[in-house]
Amino acid sequence: DAGITQSPRHKVTETGTPVTLRCHQTENHRYMYWYRQDPGHGLRLIHYSYGVKDTDKGEVSDGYSVSRSKTEDFLLTLESATSSQTSVYFCAISDGVAANKNIQYFGAGTRLSVL
Amino acid sequence: AQSVAQPEDQVNVAEGNPLTVKCTYSVSGNPYLFWYVQYPNRGLQFLLKYITGDNLVKGSYGFEAEFNKSQTSFHLKKPSALVSDSALYFCAVRDPVDSSYKLIFGSGTRLLVRP
Repeated sequence: DAGITQSPRHKVTETGTPVTLRCHQTENHRYMYWYRQDPGHGLRLIHYSYGVKDTDKGEVSDGYSVSRSKTEDFLLTLESATSSQTSVYFCAISDGVAANKNIQYFGAGTRLSVL
Repeated sequence: AQSVAQPEDQVNVAEGNPLTVKCTYSVSGNPYLFWYVQYPNRGLQFLLKYITGDNLVKGSYGFEAEFNKSQTSFHLKKPSALVSDSALYFCAVRDPVDSSYKLIFGSGTRLLVRP
């Protein structure tokens, strides 16, 4: 999975608790993305980053925040988890330059269950 | 707004037969189009892309796709299916003027190749 590590891989939590998912890359790519995957919806973009401390909202950003203090790490936080946030979360990276600039590379995913 | 449609939730084909997974798009201007594949419990893997040039693009594992501007389609094809091709396939589009390199994904099509 192209130098991308997501942690944890699985998590079960309770409604109302905060949760942080981590994406770590060793590719030194500029762009990083968080998606959620749900049946019938494909992948939907939550937030993305175009550099250290530079982030922006995606299609389904309500209830989520992100931070990027280093090139290699992109954190996704659910401030107060809800059952509707039960999903599989994927991190992706893109270098934004050269021949492969349009390709995103994905991590293995984090399966989150909110009870 | 950009969108991608994959009209079939599932495609069934016998091993050795040709396969087609359909994708149509809606985007202003000239789109960048992609196909990704997801195997069970894995992240998405890039298969192929259309940026410009020849309407028939070739990708990994013997897959190809044909860009048809008049029909706004980008169908994925393979001349002879393998059981190992069974997976979830996603079509995606990117607006070339979007500097964030964001992708919009279709809902996915499950391909089942029977022996």
